[in-house]
Amino acid sequence: GESVGLHLPTLSVQEGDNSIINCAYSNSASDYFIWYKQESGKGPQFIIDIRSNMDKRQGQRVTVLLNKTVKHLSLQIAATQPGDSAVYFCAENNNGNQFYFGTGTSLTVIP
Amino acid sequence: ETGVTQSPTHLIKTRGQQVTLRCSSQSGHNTVSWYQQALGQGPQFIFQYYREEENGRGNFPPRFSGLQFPNYSSELNVNALELDDSALYLCASSLEGGSGGYTFGSGTRLTVV
Repeated sequence: GESVGLHLPTLSVQEGDNSIINCAYSNSASDYFIWYKQESGKGPQFIIDIRSNMDKRQGQRVTVLLNKTVKHLSLQIAATQPGDSAVYFCAENNNGNQFYFGTGTSLTVIP
Repeated sequence: ETGVTQSPTHLIKTRGQQVTLRCSSQSGHNTVSWYQQALGQGPQFIFQYYREEENGRGNFPPRFSGLQFPNYSSELNVNALELDDSALYLCASSLEGGSGGYTFGSGTRLTVV
């Protein structure tokens, strides 16, 4: 079955530092990945996505890296701000109609 | 352009009762997916609706059912509620096939007592 896991359930960083959130997936057939941010009391919010034909994609202050060899995904947030405090989920899709979400990593930014 | 709206925001039901949750999709989106998110967990796929028909289902029993209407809005119905059904129920709309990912609503917090 599908398994999407995160290495660390919680992460604390100082404001202004860079954050790295990791995610492992088990289905080698997965070809589309998304990182979501979920703030308290809200639904998940799309951050950035990447397809399996790429190994890196950059957005505004965020970068996603995909290593298909070891089935690992990471989200890098540059110059982390207090507003980045949230739970971050990776989600994978294998060309079907459902996304499989990991358990989530709680990011706390210390002012 | 409006986002995804869900109602109600909170709901308390008694074990054995039935519940209906509602979702209006984002403008231009024709596909609606429902997810269950237990406390401290990631969302779990319940099912997806496209063109008013179920278009895929996760590992949920038949007492979880849904509808999609011609305006792409959707309902999630749960019969014979159990205590473990207590969760945040998320609706997400997307273009066909989930291209570009989902736009999620803020969810309905269901508590079964």
